[in-house]
This record gives sequence, C-alpha cells and structure tokens, in this order.
Amino acid sequence: DGGITQSPKYLFRKEGQNVTLSCEQNLNHDAMYWYRQDPGQGLRLIYYSQIVNDFQKGDIAEGYSVSREKKESFPLTVTSAQKNPTAFYLCASGFRDRDNYGYTFGSGTRLTVV
Amino acid sequence: DAKTTQPTSMDCAEGRAANLPCNHSTISGNEYVYWYRQIHSQGPQYIIHGLKNNETNEMASLIITEDRKSSTLILPHATLRDTAVYYCIVRRGKLIFGQGTTLQVKP
Repeated sequence: DGGITQSPKYLFRKEGQNVTLSCEQNLNHDAMYWYRQDPGQGLRLIYYSQIVNDFQKGDIAEGYSVSREKKESFPLTVTSAQKNPTAFYLCASGFRDRDNYGYTFGSGTRLTVV
Repeated sequence: DAKTTQPTSMDCAEGRAANLPCNHSTISGNEYVYWYRQIHSQGPQYIIHGLKNNETNEMASLIITEDRKSSTLILPHATLRDTAVYYCIVRRGKLIFGQGTTLQVKP
C-alpha cells in the first residue's frame, strides 16, 4: 500500500543535542512538507520542498534544517538552536492536479526534550 | 490567499447529521475548498474538497454556496469516532491550517 511513514513515533532528546526525524513516502508525490503542532494549536509550516534538491522555509524555520536528496525522503533535523523543540511533528506529501493540491499526512513524531 | 473563519467548537448527538460551517468571503476563482480532520495525536486526514459544485463521498458532503463565500461540511450520521478537530482550508498551493472546529459527538 502507498503511504507516508514517519519514524520514530516517540523521540526523547537531551538539551543541546541535534535530532533527525525521518519521513518517507512511496506515493510518488513531488512535494513534501514538515509541520509542527503544539498542544491545542493548529499546524505551523516549518519547511517544504516541491522538487528534489530544492526546499523553502515555512513560517517557523529557525532552528530546523532539511534535505531533499531523494524524491521519497524529506528528513527534518531539529538543531540545538531550536529554543523550544518539544512538540508533535507532522510530515506530509502532496500532489498537484491543475489547481487541486492533495495532501497525505504521516502519523507524526512526538519529540520531547528532557 | 483566502482566510477562513470557523466556529471554535460544536456538539452533535450521535446518529444525527453534523453540519460544520466555514466562511471564506475572500476566496478567489481558482481556489479550492478543502476539509481535513485530525483525531487526537494523529496526522490530519483528508475528507473532501470542492471548487464550485457540491461534492459527496463516502465520508461526507460538501455544500458550497453559489457565491463561494461559504461552505458547509456535512457528516450525515455522526458517530463517536467522528469526534475530532475539523479544518476548512481555502488555498492554491501549500495548505495552511488554522485553529479549526472541535466537533464533539455525544452519545
């Protein structure tokens, strides 16, 4: 079955450490996205990529980095520069059919800084 | 990009229809209306989308007014599993999620 996979589901990090969240899709979607969600809040866009080897900052990119070396993969690194990294992170992939943009979301990674 | 306005929360009795409104008065001609929902601690799930005409699928119906300035998502027979946050998004391009409507389906 086609889908989008995020791993791990839960992640604990010590303060000052970088950590990388995995996101893999086999839907053949060109675009991929990373969102952050804090308790009781909506989703905020961190980074997105519309094509391999290209990505753009979203609304809250500071303290995060991404790469897009393969169409299927869009890992997110939470760096030590991110002041408040504890959150629920969601990855999505997307397609475009004329003016219709469809998204599929992964099940998320819950990151806790200890 | 069109801004959307949704009620913060709504209740619905189990088995009844849930009607979730969304205002998008600044929508432009080529922007679609999308509905997603998020059950607690899961990724958002696509429900339905439309441009001008009303749409129906196995999950819901989407009613878009003739002037396209508002729409209503209808869950015809709500169940307890439909309790979630429902997001109405009007966008051409990357989706931006607002606060959504928290729908509580009660027995």
